[in-house]
Amino acid sequence: KQEVTQIPAALSVPEGENLVLNCSFTDSAIYNLQWFRQDPGKGLTSLLLIQSSQREQTSGRLNASLDKSSGRSTLYIAASQPGDSATYLCAVRPRGQNFVFGPGTRLSVLP
Amino acid sequence: GAGVSQTPSNKVTEKGKYVELRCDPISGHTALYWYRQSLGQGPEFLIYFQGTGAADDSGLPNDRFFAVRPEGSVSTLKIQRTERGDSAVYLCASSETGTSGSWGTQYFGPGTRLTVL
Repeated sequence: KQEVTQIPAALSVPEGENLVLNCSFTDSAIYNLQWFRQDPGKGLTSLLLIQSSQREQTSGRLNASLDKSSGRSTLYIAASQPGDSATYLCAVRPRGQNFVFGPGTRLSVLP
Repeated sequence: GAGVSQTPSNKVTEKGKYVELRCDPISGHTALYWYRQSLGQGPEFLIYFQGTGAADDSGLPNDRFFAVRPEGSVSTLKIQRTERGDSAVYLCASSETGTSGSWGTQYFGPGTRLTVL
């Protein structure tokens, strides 16, 4: 059974710092991996989708990498801003199954 | 363009009652998913529709939970004989395709917060 973990559970950084969020999954046989952000009391907003054949995806200040063989993905946020404060979730789609989510990393960017 | 919408936004009910939660996906999206999210945790998969049929309902916790999508658009999640443990945020998502090997980006609604007293 696929399991997804995220480290750290919470992170607080000053504005302007670059930071890395980590996602690990136990079964490397996946179709794709998706990173989301969730603001308090809101639904999930898709940030980046990485197909199993890809190594990374970039969108603005965000860069997500995927290393299937080691079961890891990282989300890199450059020049963090207070508006980046949210919970960041990664989800993997194992072959033949639906998305499995990690518990999330709660990020606070302090002005 | 409209995103995924869910109604009601909040639902408070008493233990043992029946509830229905509605999801209106993005127009043209053939795949629709229901998830349940408890406080401090990631969403937990419940059921996935491709068109009108439930392609995977392996996440439904028991037979009190049922979902339909009769016309391939709007979906309703139905919970019978609600229990306090059913309290959670129920999220709906849709995507352009649900075919094996080409899963697209999922777009989520704001969720329905269900509280069972």
